[in-house]
Amino acid sequence: LAKTTQPISMDSYEGQEVNITCSHNNIATNDYITWYQQFPSQGPRFIIQGYKTKVTNEVASLFIPADRKSSTLSLPRVSLSDTAVYYCLVGDLASGSARQLTFGSGTQLTVLP
Amino acid sequence: DAGVIQSPRHEVTEMGQEVTLRCKPISGHNSLFWYRQTMMRGLELLIYFNNNVPIDDSGMPEDRFSAKMPNASFSTLKIQPSEPRDSAVYFCASTEEVYYGYTFGSGTRLTVV
Repeated sequence: LAKTTQPISMDSYEGQEVNITCSHNNIATNDYITWYQQFPSQGPRFIIQGYKTKVTNEVASLFIPADRKSSTLSLPRVSLSDTAVYYCLVGDLASGSARQLTFGSGTQLTVLP
Repeated sequence: DAGVIQSPRHEVTEMGQEVTLRCKPISGHNSLFWYRQTMMRGLELLIYFNNNVPIDDSGMPEDRFSAKMPNASFSTLKIQPSEPRDSAVYFCASTEEVYYGYTFGSGTRLTVV
């Protein structure tokens, strides 16, 4: 079971690029890396998912080095509304094992004006 | 698309009472998940259904918890009898394919007094 480690909190300013790194040293061959965003009093929202190299969508990029032991979520030009908790999730999505699909403790990102 | 619909939004009940939480997944999504979120334990996966069949309920804390999915458009999570330590926000999530990101509902905030 791949355990994830993220910084507890990060601060940034509006307009800056923010990079949040997640460590997952014992990631397994079949594991995917997924990032979610959660605002207070709301359910998590899917941001991006990848297996290796780089994935980009309209809101973020996900960088995964060749050894896959870490991943970095990159948020370009953040705004105040990006203040939220960001979760890194690593698991074999098809395993059917509930314990493979558990969220970590997350990173509280605070964007300052 | 109305998203994943959970009811009730808030539930306050007395210890020992039965509590039933409800979830309507997004039409066409064949996987459904129940999560529980607390400050102490974060987001925990309780149970996972695929095509209405429970795949893994190893995350269910104890026999007081049960979940059903009688059809593709409805699932329940029942706690009987409820205890104060069950107080948490319960989220339901669904996905059309286990490799895709999950869509979470807004959650049910349960308070057991």
